[in-house]
Amino acid sequence: AQSVSQHNHHVILSEAASLELGCNYSYGGTVNLFWYVQYPGQHLQLLLKYFSGDPLVKGIKGFEAEFIKSKFSFNLRKPSVQWSDTAEYFCAVIPHGSGNTGKLIFGQGTTLQVKP
Amino acid sequence: AAGVIQSPRHLIKEKRETATLKCYPIPRHDTVYWYQQGPGQDPQFLISFYEKMQSDKGSIPDRFSAQQFSDYHSELNMSSLELGDSALYFCASTPPGYNEQFFGPGTRLTVL
Repeated sequence: AQSVSQHNHHVILSEAASLELGCNYSYGGTVNLFWYVQYPGQHLQLLLKYFSGDPLVKGIKGFEAEFIKSKFSFNLRKPSVQWSDTAEYFCAVIPHGSGNTGKLIFGQGTTLQVKP
Repeated sequence: AAGVIQSPRHLIKEKRETATLKCYPIPRHDTVYWYQQGPGQDPQFLISFYEKMQSDKGSIPDRFSAQQFSDYHSELNMSSLELGDSALYFCASTPPGYNEQFFGPGTRLTVL
């Protein structure tokens, strides 16, 4: 079955520390890849997306992610986190191909807590 | 810019009651997706509609039904509510031929 795995469930960092959240997916075909952020009590907001082209994608708020096809990975990075980055982060995939209708498959989420 | 609208934003129901959640996609978006996010869980796909026809079905209980109307809005009908149905229900829409989903603010359903 198609699935998305996020390596870290809970990450605690100090402000200005660098962030890397791991994401791997299980699907051998073409995929669209996404990272969403969910602030407490709020809805999902798109941080960045990869459809094709340059595997290093830049998103909002200084986030970036790198698609490594050979590793089925799409890790999220930020050089220097801020207290306001405290939130839940979800990696998600849309697999392409027969039987896939565009639904998002989400990872389990990573709770990021940034200490001031 | 117009966004996805969901109503109501909050809903409190008793066990065994029914609930109807509504989703109004962004104008000219033709596909609607419903997701359920339980407390501390990742969003799970429930059901989707493309051009008013059901296009995919996920882990949606038989007690739930949904449809998309001629104006592209969608409704999720939930009957015989259970405590475990308490969750945040998201709707998302996509424009024709494009895979990025635009999410609504969600409806928080609490079943007592």
